[in-house]
Order: sequence, then structure tokens, then C-alpha cells
Amino acid sequence: QSVLTQPPSASGTPGQRVTISCSGSSSNIGINFVYWYQHLPGTAPRLLIYRNNQRPSGVPDRFSGSKSGTSASLAISGLRSEDEADYYCAAWDDSLSGVVFGGGTKLTVL
Amino acid sequence: EVQLVESGGGLVQPGGSLRLSCAASGLSFSNYFMSWVRQAPGKGLEWVANRKQDGSEKYYVDSVKGRFTISRDTISRDNAEISLYLQMNSLRAEDTAVYYCAVGVTAAYFDSWGQGTLVTVSS
Repeated sequence: QSVLTQPPSASGTPGQRVTISCSGSSSNIGINFVYWYQHLPGTAPRLLIYRNNQRPSGVPDRFSGSKSGTSASLAISGLRSEDEADYYCAAWDDSLSGVVFGGGTKLTVL
Repeated sequence: EVQLVESGGGLVQPGGSLRLSCAASGLSFSNYFMSWVRQAPGKGLEWVANRKQDGSEKYYVDSVKGRFTISRDTISRDNAEISLYLQMNSLRAEDTAVYYCAVGVTAAYFDSWGQGTLVTVSS
């Protein structure tokens, strides 16, 4: 059972917009930044979004992040086949004094 | 560009020990967090431990406290090259995972990742 809650799966067709949610609490998302990672099996995870809604250089603007209260979301617009991957949210948790991840969402491009 | 290369993984019996290493180069910011994150077979990412570059802060997930120790050695004077370690004692089957080394400017900000090293705990 992960501290941050994500849907286990999401799907969309090429060109569509999909959103992945991440629900936390007042000790993590409620007071700290949210980060999003993309992970393809057998490869190193990749930072997609930092500090709730900032994109590192090299990440397409099709990826966007938002946060409201104790929840956050990752939106992917103009879905492409190469977006098929696992997506994780993460945040620092003040109560646990540690980093917490969501359980991950497997995105399928139909 | 930051490069991270993990090593030291392998097969170990329950109760045994293993030391993971991460060779880091290209570190250009003045202070940062270095972390270990793992992924058990068929499971999601799990943060294991981290430490601030200056050693002022170290944190561990509850399940490894008292068993794992994170440490580092400086390779270059400007701290651009370091070696990060994870000493793992009293290993359990549930510690079986790919272990990634990661670095970033704050604790949950993993800007760069290594390719991972597999640890298998089994008799």
C-alpha cells in the first residue's frame, strides 16, 4: 500500500489527452512539491515534472503537471506510442521524514 | 552532464550482506541529495535512503533502518566526482530488487539516474 495513491492503469489513443491523478495527504503533497517520473522497463527512470509543474529541459510541453490541496495530476496531451510507460508521482513526507512514491500508473497507448 | 554507474549487485543468502556502489561524475551544483531507489520484481519504485552532499542529513525508509547504511567518498576535490555506497546487512527476501542511484537538488528531486544493479536475496 503506497502512501501516494495513483490509478494502476490508464489508456488513450494517439493524439488524445490523458490525465493521471496522485492523491496524498497534508504531510506530503499538501505541503511539499510533487515530482513525476516516467519509467520504461529495463531503463533508468526519467524526471518529467519537478516542483509541481516545471518541466526539465528536453521534456516536451505535451507533459504538464498541476497540484491542488493534497492531490496532483499529470496530463499528457497529443498522446504518442512512445509515451507508453509507467508513471510515478513522488513527494517528501514530513511525518515519515522520507520520500514517498505513488504505486505507479501503467499507461497504454491503444 | 551527470553520470551515475551502479555496481555491486548479485545473489546473496538471507541474512547476508552486500555493498552497492555508485560512481558519480559531472556533479556541478554546490549541494545536492544522493539517493538509492529500488524496484522489486513486478512492483513500483520505492525510495530507500538518501543523504545530503555535506552529510548534514541522512534518511532511510523504515523497512531498512538499522540494516542499511548510506555513505560516500569524495573522489575529486571539487566534489564533481564521488562514490556513493549502500551497505546492506541482514538482507531479506523482500530486499530483492533493482537498486538505482539517483541525484538531485532536493530530497524527492531525482534529476539523474543510473541504470541500476540487481540484488537477489535467496537461498
